[in-house]
Amino acid sequence: ETGVTQSPTHLIKTRGQQVTLRCSSQSGHNTVSWYQQALGQGPQFIFQYYREEENGRGNFPPRFSGLQFPNYSSELNVNALELDDSALYLCASSSWGLAVEQYFGPGTRLTVT
Amino acid sequence: AQSVTQPDIHITVSEGASLELRCNYSYGATPYLFWYVQSPGQGLQLLLKYFSGDTLVQGIKGFEAEFKRSQSSFNLRKPSVHWSDAAEYFCAVGDNQGGKLIFGQGTELSVKP
Repeated sequence: ETGVTQSPTHLIKTRGQQVTLRCSSQSGHNTVSWYQQALGQGPQFIFQYYREEENGRGNFPPRFSGLQFPNYSSELNVNALELDDSALYLCASSSWGLAVEQYFGPGTRLTVT
Repeated sequence: AQSVTQPDIHITVSEGASLELRCNYSYGATPYLFWYVQSPGQGLQLLLKYFSGDTLVQGIKGFEAEFKRSQSSFNLRKPSVHWSDAAEYFCAVGDNQGGKLIFGQGTELSVKP
């Protein structure tokens, strides 16, 4: 069984730039959720995707957007990066029937300078 | 509003000693409850979960947790801590209608030799 994978592991961007983070879900899972974890904090829910559509969104501005592909993999896009976007971005996969039981990837560390 | 409180930011225990990490939640219905562990710079690993039924649940790595509805608590326990248990521990509550997880701030566990 293949676990959740994310790429890249780390990246550094400049304020105002755009970034795309990628996630492959665990085999057998069809739902992907994204979380932002600031240093010293618990993860915060960004949004969830099922059947290639957004299914629930947390308190994040529209410059945070996502996609889900037919193979259930997903992208998180962030436009107009701000310094406060520096964080660990975590992807989690689950099965739609039990979407809340989520298995996490290793995360992408984003630094905005 | 749904929320999770982990009252202890940092706990230090001696190797071989018992451990209890506290978690209190606020949720309108029967909650789905989780404990995750995170090693430095890593993603989250699911330790155990409670959905319904027996209020004492067993997880991986020798951890267990007890759901107490009257106290809105879901405390994590381990009878004998190992040095490798040093990590950050997160309690989370989930809504299977929306699939969102709400996390506490986390408790950092240090283990003394």
